[in-house]
Amino acid sequence: DAGVTQSPTHLIKTRGQQVTLRCSPKSGHDTVSWYQQALGQGPQFIFQYYEEEERQRGNFPDRFSGHQFPNYSSELNVNALLLGDSALYLCASSPGPTELSYNSPLHFGNGTRLTVT
Amino acid sequence: AQKVTQAQTEISVVEKEDVTLDCVYETRDTTYYLFWYKQPPSGELVFLIRRNSFDEQNEISGRYSWNFQKSTSSFNFTITASQVVDSAVYFCALSEAGGLRGAQKLVFGQGTRLTINP
Repeated sequence: DAGVTQSPTHLIKTRGQQVTLRCSPKSGHDTVSWYQQALGQGPQFIFQYYEEEERQRGNFPDRFSGHQFPNYSSELNVNALLLGDSALYLCASSPGPTELSYNSPLHFGNGTRLTVT
Repeated sequence: AQKVTQAQTEISVVEKEDVTLDCVYETRDTTYYLFWYKQPPSGELVFLIRRNSFDEQNEISGRYSWNFQKSTSSFNFTITASQVVDSAVYFCALSEAGGLRGAQKLVFGQGTRLTINP
């Protein structure tokens, strides 16, 4: 049973460039969330996708955008990269909306380490 | 606004010692969920436990135990007879139930780096 997979593992970009990160959810999951984890900090919620729509968004600028495909996989795009965007980007998947979804544990991938120089 | 505070940034103990990780949370919601995750060096967050706001019963699972006290808004985690493999960063997280159905959003604490020395 494949868990959450993310690619690439590491990425180095220059300030001002654009980047795309990819995520495949755990088998049987159709909801994908993205988190940003700066060094030494806890993860921060970026947004969540279900049925190819953004369902909820955290306090991140519009430079951060996403997409979900019919096979439930997802992409995170960041435009006009800043030095402060350097972080570990974590993807998490969970089952689709039910009354108890809010207490379902998220399954996380190993993350993509993005370095902006 | 929701907030999770893990006041202990780093803890270092010798193997076989017991260690407790503290977590204090803030929320205005009456229905919420608390989680503990472990993050080994590989980066993946591993789910350990969840507890809902209506269940204050403490739980023991092997060497792990959790103490949920609603009166003090605390959800502490204890490892008994620690082992070197327990070394990791541990995160406490909060999820409120009042949002869009299914749109779970976790608010994490800053984490506690636990080092178990042989």
